[in-house]
Amino acid sequence: QKEVEQNSGPLSVPEGAIASLNCTYSDRGSQSFFWYRQYSGKSPELIMSIYSNGDKEDGRFTAQLNKASQYVSLLIRDSQPSDSATYLCAVCRSSYKLIFGSGTRLLVRP
Amino acid sequence: DAGVIQSPRHEVTEMGQEVTLRCKPISGHDYLFWYRQTMMRGLELLIYFNNNVPIDDSGMPEDRFSAKMPNASFSTLKIQPSEPRDSAVYFCASSLTGGPGNEQFFGPGTRLTVL
Repeated sequence: QKEVEQNSGPLSVPEGAIASLNCTYSDRGSQSFFWYRQYSGKSPELIMSIYSNGDKEDGRFTAQLNKASQYVSLLIRDSQPSDSATYLCAVCRSSYKLIFGSGTRLLVRP
Repeated sequence: DAGVIQSPRHEVTEMGQEVTLRCKPISGHDYLFWYRQTMMRGLELLIYFNNNVPIDDSGMPEDRFSAKMPNASFSTLKIQPSEPRDSAVYFCASSLTGGPGNEQFFGPGTRLTVL
């Protein structure tokens, strides 16, 4: 079992829809959770971080964390073609090491 | 702020040659991370430093890889000798201390091709 698992996709949604990206992790000691966006040929860009159970909203993005279920999700409202990218889930334990999932490719159709 | 700076952006070399990748972290950041990204293995942490001291190098694939951080504003990742399987994009990232899972900011990466 991988430490951080994501569906590779592609997840295809129409413009204006809500895109839902999911991530599960195996280590119950994980404390911090991050979503990075990576455009093709570019570096990962941090878009959301979440540390406690519940929802965290930032503009069109909402991160959701459920530690009991070891589940993290990212919702993108009003999806735009410019949101088309690979979204990487990253999990951190007590050290400063981030463990990345393999990423979910999102395609937003105009 | 200029962000994390990496050089070169692209490197093509022949098997057996020495390769040196360079990184300048964001000013004031005290953590520096080296990652490697490939299609097969995704994004992997190779090594990270805190206040210029290597903390965890368990991700370094083998002795051909070495990393140094002589001061707070400069780090190198060296591969000697290089092999075709080392072809990947190498990212440097930095963060500011503040607790577990500090937000990390990535440089543009160095795309390495070993022929």
